Amino acid sequence: SQQGEEDPQALSIQEGENATMNCSYKTSINNLQWYRQNSGRGLVHLILIRSNEREKHSGRLRVTLDTSKKSSSLLITASRAADTASYFCATGGSGAGSYQLTFGKGTKLSVIP
Amino acid sequence: SQTIHQWPATLVQPVGSPLSLECTVEGTSNPNLYWYRQAAGRGLQLLFYSVGIGQISSEVPQNLSASRPQDRQFILSSKKLLLSDSGFYLCAWSARGPDTQYFGPGTRLTVL
Repeated sequence: SQQGEEDPQALSIQEGENATMNCSYKTSINNLQWYRQNSGRGLVHLILIRSNEREKHSGRLRVTLDTSKKSSSLLITASRAADTASYFCATGGSGAGSYQLTFGKGTKLSVIP
Repeated sequence: SQTIHQWPATLVQPVGSPLSLECTVEGTSNPNLYWYRQAAGRGLQLLFYSVGIGQISSEVPQNLSASRPQDRQFILSSKKLLLSDSGFYLCAWSARGPDTQYFGPGTRLTVL
């Protein structure tokens, strides 16, 4: 079953604007990750935030995690046309023997030049 | 550095035909390996994962199977394809789960 649910499903912004995507999940996690997928390609890992972290930055990306609300957000600042892609959150379980990630359905981001 | 390969890149197969998709990883040892399927415009569905040679865990019952004959080789198979098997198949590896996964380029399978 899919645990992560991204919101919105689709987002269209002008180049230079900030893009914010949200992810909600249901069970305890070890970590939460964000991935990017260009059309017809494999997924690329963007950032991982562990359950004891609240915020993490990587370049133009900022991720927050609120474990009390079971939610995370991904902020892309100063967006570029090349940021156009689908963005997925994935949760890593906290139980023993948890080897897999559970992916959401993704947010499709369109950045208009 | 580590790399992951998948082939073929695209495949068109008739209903009822067999399937074999291959995934290999280079530059790491004893990786966790994963097969996902992605339907058009949808998220990823985990099909199989493996934590070692010959160790396969199935997440979704279906007419697909997976094998890991070597440490860095993961194969997805079917004896008879169904129309519903069409999709984008992705292989991934991780150093240890549930940590960062690294994805291959994917195989686009169309069953007619």
